[in-house]
Amino acid sequence: QSALTQPPSASGSPGQSVTISCTGTSSDVGGYNYVSWYQQHPGKAPKLMIYEVSKRPSGVPDRFSGSKSGNTASLTVSGLQAEDEADYYCSSYAGSNNFEWVFGTGTKVTVL
Amino acid sequence: EVQLVESGGGLVKPGGSLRLSCAASGFTFSSYSMNWVRQAPGKGLEWVSSISSSSSYIYYADSVKGRFTISRDNAKNSLYLQMNSLRAEDTAVYYCARGLGSGSYSFGDYWGQGTLVTVSS
Repeated sequence: QSALTQPPSASGSPGQSVTISCTGTSSDVGGYNYVSWYQQHPGKAPKLMIYEVSKRPSGVPDRFSGSKSGNTASLTVSGLQAEDEADYYCSSYAGSNNFEWVFGTGTKVTVL
Repeated sequence: EVQLVESGGGLVKPGGSLRLSCAASGFTFSSYSMNWVRQAPGKGLEWVSSISSSSSYIYYADSVKGRFTISRDNAKNSLYLQMNSLRAEDTAVYYCARGLGSGSYSFGDYWGQGTLVTVSS
């Protein structure tokens, strides 16, 4: 299973919004409502921000939202804050043949 | 407080073996599926393996199938990854991550700090 495609970088000024795309196929993103998004600061473990396309774990600000259309999922960060600067990875269940998860290539979000 | 603490990483020669452990605390370990995810230096995340709460279901990425074995001991609140026939491309930080439970396939509401495995001669 190939990695999901994300843009290498995205940026925005404080208070603005940024949207990151995650493109897969009908065998992963398009086939299941199991898309997750993780935030990772340098040298730290990933943090779950969105699961099952649009659900937020407790403690995650509602500035973070997720959606999906066809084979592409998106993460939108509204009201950008300095602490949002990090790498973001999408992930999708890809179990058409066997249980498998595939991650995206990662997007570096810079707060200008 | 939920805690996941990995251990067992280190330097190993190609073809060698290593066993990683993940000690869990702060939650009912036996009720959750568990996962291993790795990250090569400077690279992205890669799902490695998953195990259901009772070990009934076990899954592996194709890249490690036949070489790695995931297991758990619910009495000891511990998750393991036995890694054999290690290759240079297995060099990575290995994280354990908890499944979300409640029937969801999703995982990663809690992660360990990671343990570095370096495969080099």
